[in-house]
Amino acid sequence: KAGVTQTPRYLIKTRGQQVTLSCSPISGHRSVSWYQQTPGQGLQFLFEYFSETQRNKGNFPGRFSGRQFSNSRSEMNVSTLELGDSALYLCASSLDGPNTGELFFGEGSRLTVL
Amino acid sequence: KQEVTQIPAALSVPEGENLVLNCSFTDSAIYNLQWFRQDPGKGLTSLLLIQSSQREQTSGRLNASLDKSSGRSTLYIAASQPGDSATYLCAVTDQAGTALIFGKGTTLSVSS
Repeated sequence: KAGVTQTPRYLIKTRGQQVTLSCSPISGHRSVSWYQQTPGQGLQFLFEYFSETQRNKGNFPGRFSGRQFSNSRSEMNVSTLELGDSALYLCASSLDGPNTGELFFGEGSRLTVL
Repeated sequence: KQEVTQIPAALSVPEGENLVLNCSFTDSAIYNLQWFRQDPGKGLTSLLLIQSSQREQTSGRLNASLDKSSGRSTLYIAASQPGDSATYLCAVTDQAGTALIFGKGTTLSVSS
């Protein structure tokens, strides 16, 4: 059974640019969550989607957005990149959401902003 | 606001030793608690999930306990091996049940 797949794995951008990250959940999973991991702040919740609806959003500026498609695949977008956006962005999937079961994480997309 | 604390931040032990990692949380209104392992530069690997109605879960050499009333969980690793070296993260669900709130982790080093 394939795990959670994130693309791209690594990317370098410059300030002011925008970036789109992609996540393919485990087959049959309807909930997809996104997290940002930095050395200083640790893992922080960005947003969670279930059946194409955003159910929850973390405390991040509006430059961070996401969406989920009908096949449960998800994308997140960061516009007007800042140096502080450099981080490992992790996607996680679960059957129906974190309140009902286990979360499975992908390998992450490592973003470097220069 | 839920806060998760993990103690110690780092731990070094010789191979074969049994060890305990601690996790505490401030709000007992959780749906579940999950322990993860993270190797350097990698994603998170789920180790154990404990539902709020459960007291413990076991998988191989790992045993996790949950005491909701006191806001504590422990991860017990038996007969540690160098391959157990990694960062161990504890996470609990938020009040909505749609997000995980993570501790900062315990970095474990097991020497042979």
